[in-house]
Amino acid sequence: AQKVTQAQTEISVVEKEDVTLDCVYETRDTTYYLFWYKQPPSGELVFLIRRNSFDEQNEISGRYSWNFQKSTSSFNFTITASQVVDSAVYFCALSATVTDSWGKLQFGAGTQVVVTP
Amino acid sequence: GAGVSQSPSNKVTEKGKDVELRCDPISGHTALYWYRQSLGQGLEFLIYFQGNSAPDKSGLPSDRFSAERTGGSVSTLTIQRTQQEDSAVYLCASSLAGSVSEQFFGPGTRLTVL
Repeated sequence: AQKVTQAQTEISVVEKEDVTLDCVYETRDTTYYLFWYKQPPSGELVFLIRRNSFDEQNEISGRYSWNFQKSTSSFNFTITASQVVDSAVYFCALSATVTDSWGKLQFGAGTQVVVTP
Repeated sequence: GAGVSQSPSNKVTEKGKDVELRCDPISGHTALYWYRQSLGQGLEFLIYFQGNSAPDKSGLPSDRFSAERTGGSVSTLTIQRTQQEDSAVYLCASSLAGSVSEQFFGPGTRLTVL
């Protein structure tokens, strides 16, 4: 069975601090996809990144960066120089391609990030 | 509109009543998903439609839940004989077919069962 664990329930930081969100996943599939979504207070889930299991390159997009390590089954997300607008719940999700329906997302419990001025 | 839309945005109903929730996916997206978000259970997959294939209903919590998708576009999630534990935000998402692409989520319907 697929499982995604986000052990951090809430992280509070002061603006301009860096924050790293942990995501650990479990799957028997060799081909799978990992995602991060952001859910701001407005409630709508916003896609941030998709990574497939064959691409372990780290990725940077502006202040966001992702570290994918298959050896530890982790896909961690770092926000550099956090801003108040980064306050949201962040979800890590897994999509397996053999044991589950194509595209079906298994979400972690989410991590609430609170950035104070 | 350009995004996924859902209606109603809020629904309050009495225990035992039936409710219908609607989702309009992004035009051209053949894959459509329903998820449920509640405090106790987090984000849970409910059902998945892909084109004309039989839907994956493996996430539906009971036989009181059903969903259909007409004409490969609009989808309706129906909950019969609602219970208080059905109270949650019901999210719809759509995506392009043929790959595990990003899913675009709607704003959700907040269901409250009294």
